[in-house]
Amino acid sequence: GQNIDQPTEMTATEGAIVQINCTYQTSGFNGLFWYQQHAGEAPTFLSYNVLDGLEEKGRFSSFLSRSKGYSYLLLKELQMKDSASYLCAVRASDKLIFGTGTRLQVFP
Amino acid sequence: DSGVTQTPKHLITATGQRVTLRCSPRSGDLSVYWYQQSLDQGLQFLIQYYNGEERAKGNILERFSAQQFPDLHSELNLSSLELGDSALYFCASSVEPGGGNNEQFFGPGTRLTVL
Repeated sequence: GQNIDQPTEMTATEGAIVQINCTYQTSGFNGLFWYQQHAGEAPTFLSYNVLDGLEEKGRFSSFLSRSKGYSYLLLKELQMKDSASYLCAVRASDKLIFGTGTRLQVFP
Repeated sequence: DSGVTQTPKHLITATGQRVTLRCSPRSGDLSVYWYQQSLDQGLQFLIQYYNGEERAKGNILERFSAQQFPDLHSELNLSSLELGDSALYFCASSVEPGGGNNEQFFGPGTRLTVL
C-alpha cells in the first residue's frame, strides 16, 4: 500500500532553521513534491525531487533519498509568514498521494 | 493566483441533497484532479481526468462522480450528501498527466458544508 509519514506539528523561532521530515512507502515512485498550505487556502508548490540529492531554491531546500524512502524540507531564515502546513506528496502511477501535513508555527 | 478557478466558493446544503462543483483549469492544462480535504486530514485524491478521459481514480465514493468536458472544464457531482462530506474540495490542473516535473496548480477550493 501507500504510506506517507510526517510530524503533525513543529514550532520554531523567527530567523531560525527548521527541517521537516517525510518518510514514505509507495510502489511506482515517480517523484516527491513539497507544497505549502496556509489555513483555508490552496496548496502552493514549493519543490520537486525525483533524483537523490538536494534541490535548493532560495530559503527553501528539499532533499530526497529514494533508497531510504526519505525526504526533508529545510526552511532557512524563518519568517512569520512561513507559519503554514507543509505537505509532502509522492507521485506514484500518475497519482499524487499526500501526507497529512506538518503544521509549522513560527514565533517571534 | 494559480490560474485555476473553482465555483462556487462556498456551498451550504442539507443531507440527502446533490451538488455540483465546477473547475476550470489553467489555460493549456489538459489534466484535472479533484481532492477532498476534511478538517485535520490531508488531501485525499479523488479522481483525475486527462483531455476528457478518466485517467486515475483514488478513494472516490460511489455517490461521487466527475467528468471533464470538451472545453476541459470539469465538474464533480456529489449526491446523497452526508454530514461527513463536509470538506474543502480542491481542483488542480497540470499540463501532462504524469512524469517529469509535473507540478499541479491548485484552485482556491470549494468549501462544502452539509447540515
